[in-house]
Amino acid sequence: KNEVEQSPQNLTAQEGEFITINCSYSVGISALHWLQQHPGGGIVSLFMLSSGKKKHGRLIATINIQEKHSSLHITASHPRDSAVYICAVRGAGGTSYGKLTFGQGTILTVHP
Amino acid sequence: DARVTQTPRHKVTEMGQEVTMRCQPILGHNTVFWYRQTMMQGLELLAYFRNRAPLDDSGMPKDRFSAEMPDATLATLKIQPSEPRDSAVYFCASGRGSSTDTQYFGPGTRLTVL
Repeated sequence: KNEVEQSPQNLTAQEGEFITINCSYSVGISALHWLQQHPGGGIVSLFMLSSGKKKHGRLIATINIQEKHSSLHITASHPRDSAVYICAVRGAGGTSYGKLTFGQGTILTVHP
Repeated sequence: DARVTQTPRHKVTEMGQEVTMRCQPILGHNTVFWYRQTMMQGLELLAYFRNRAPLDDSGMPKDRFSAEMPDATLATLKIQPSEPRDSAVYFCASGRGSSTDTQYFGPGTRLTVL
């Protein structure tokens, strides 16, 4: 079993729909990252969070440390949101501190 | 606008050749990470430096891969000899190293080993 599991693996939506991508992890972490990778390949960090909730524009990320679960929500989705969304967890301590372990990614396609 | 730079952006080489990839972290960042991305494995950590010292290179095949930071402005990843299974996109990322800091990714080097 992977340390970081994302669901769904593929997601197709119509423009304007509310989207949720889930991430579950099985190890102790110091933080969780949500990354976005566009078809051109560049990776951008969207959020880093260790508790609660963060919001940036139409994107919302939440984390439940007790349940080892995080969600990324996109409100009023748009075709330009089409990308791969990757969850990554940062190790909690010792030599794992700072080390990122990645989920397999969720491929999101938003149709006009 | 500070960003991580990587060179070359694309590299095609023949099996057995040496490959060197370079990364310039954002000025002031003291942690540098090398990641590899393939279709099969997704993103994987290869090596990780803090203050130029290697902290974790357990993800790296030791017999052919080596990672160094000759100075604070340059990180290198070498493969010698290269093999077709090394074909991937190699990303460098840098950060300030605190528990609240994010990582900033470079554009990647797309390596093809024939």
